[in-house]
Amino acid sequence: DGGITQSPKYLFRKEGQNVTLSCEQNLNHDAMYWYRQDPGQGLRLIYYSQIVNDFQKGDIAEGYSVSREKKESFPLTVTSAQKNPTAFYLCASSIGQGVEKLFFGSGTQLSVL
Amino acid sequence: DAKTTQPNSMESNEEEPVHLPCNHSTISGTDYIHWYRQLPSQGPEYVIHGLTSNVNNRMASLAIAEDRKSSTLILHRATLRDAAVYYCILRDRTGGFKTIFGAGTRLFVKA
Repeated sequence: DGGITQSPKYLFRKEGQNVTLSCEQNLNHDAMYWYRQDPGQGLRLIYYSQIVNDFQKGDIAEGYSVSREKKESFPLTVTSAQKNPTAFYLCASSIGQGVEKLFFGSGTQLSVL
Repeated sequence: DAKTTQPNSMESNEEEPVHLPCNHSTISGTDYIHWYRQLPSQGPEYVIHGLTSNVNNRMASLAIAEDRKSSTLILHRATLRDAAVYYCILRDRTGGFKTIFGAGTRLFVKA
């Protein structure tokens, strides 16, 4: 079955450490997104990519980095510059035409040790 | 970017219809209205979307006001599995990549 796979489901970060969250999709979608969700809040856009080798900052990109070297993969790195990284991270994809529906992964819960 | 406004929470009885409202007074002519729902500790799931006309699918119905400044998601018979946070968002061909999610409406379903 086609879908989006996020891993790991739970991740712990030590102070000063960079961690990378994985997002893989086999839907042949051009567009991919990363969102952050804090408890009881909506989703905030971190980065998005419309096509391979291209990505744009969202509303809260500071302290995060991404790459899009392959169509099916869009990893997110939470750097040590992100001082409050504890949150639920969601990856999504869409065909890429802007109005098409979003498909979401099951999320990664990141916590700080 | 056009935004949406939803009530923080709503309550329904099981097997009764539920009408979830959404206001989007600054909607543009090219904005599509999308609805998603999110269960605890899961990613949001697509429910339905539309542009101008009312839409039906196996999950729900979407009623869009004539002036498009509001819409209503209709769950015809609520079940306990429908208890979730429901998000109403706008997507268009130019700014769709910057889709904004608000806090949504938390739906409680009573048995």
